Amino acid sequence: GAVVSQHPSWVICKSGTSVKIECRSLDFQATTMFWYRQFPKQSLMLMATSNEGSKATYEQGVEKDKFLINHASLTLSTLTVTSAHPEDSSFYICSARPAGRLNQPQHFGDGTRLSIL
Amino acid sequence: AQTVTQSQPEMSVQEAETVTLSCTYDTSESDYYLFWYKQPPSRQMILVIRQEAYKQQNATENRFSVNFQKAAKSFSLKISDSQLGDAAMYFCAYGLIQGAQKLVFGQGTRLTINP
Repeated sequence: GAVVSQHPSWVICKSGTSVKIECRSLDFQATTMFWYRQFPKQSLMLMATSNEGSKATYEQGVEKDKFLINHASLTLSTLTVTSAHPEDSSFYICSARPAGRLNQPQHFGDGTRLSIL
Repeated sequence: AQTVTQSQPEMSVQEAETVTLSCTYDTSESDYYLFWYKQPPSRQMILVIRQEAYKQQNATENRFSVNFQKAAKSFSLKISDSQLGDAAMYFCAYGLIQGAQKLVFGQGTRLTINP
């Protein structure tokens, strides 16, 4: 089946540093990937839609300069949390939609737990 | 904007019994998908079942079935013969068929299975 790999699975870093999270589709191409954030005991909230070869589309209230998204290839999207602070601590999940297959559902990565000290 | 509402923060059921999780949504679109996702403690998102809005027949996947009421904008999940492995958070989600197909999730229902 379709597999989405997300790396790292858990990262702890100091306040003020930048953290990069990778989302890879391993056995399919994805022109569109999605980044979600999930706070403890809450639902998934879409942060942005990542489009291969073009700028990401951010949801209202999400700072595009803080959450940098790059989708440079059909199998890789990255989310960089710049100058991270404790309030950015959360669970980040990506998903990928197989290119050219509108009737196939998105496939989710296993998520990244980000802890900012 | 589309919204998804799950009014049951927590549900519990005896093992081998049947439980129904509720979901309502709001949209002005006519072509869309509805989903139920399971999120166990590992936090992996697992697709349980999907329903296309243009299909009148309710989707089923083994012990899981839905009651899709398009006019009422209701999409409930029935789990039959509940098993201990069914314990998890369950999220109802909505997505358009066309376009980016980004998903809007409900607040979630935590399901506990009592042995």
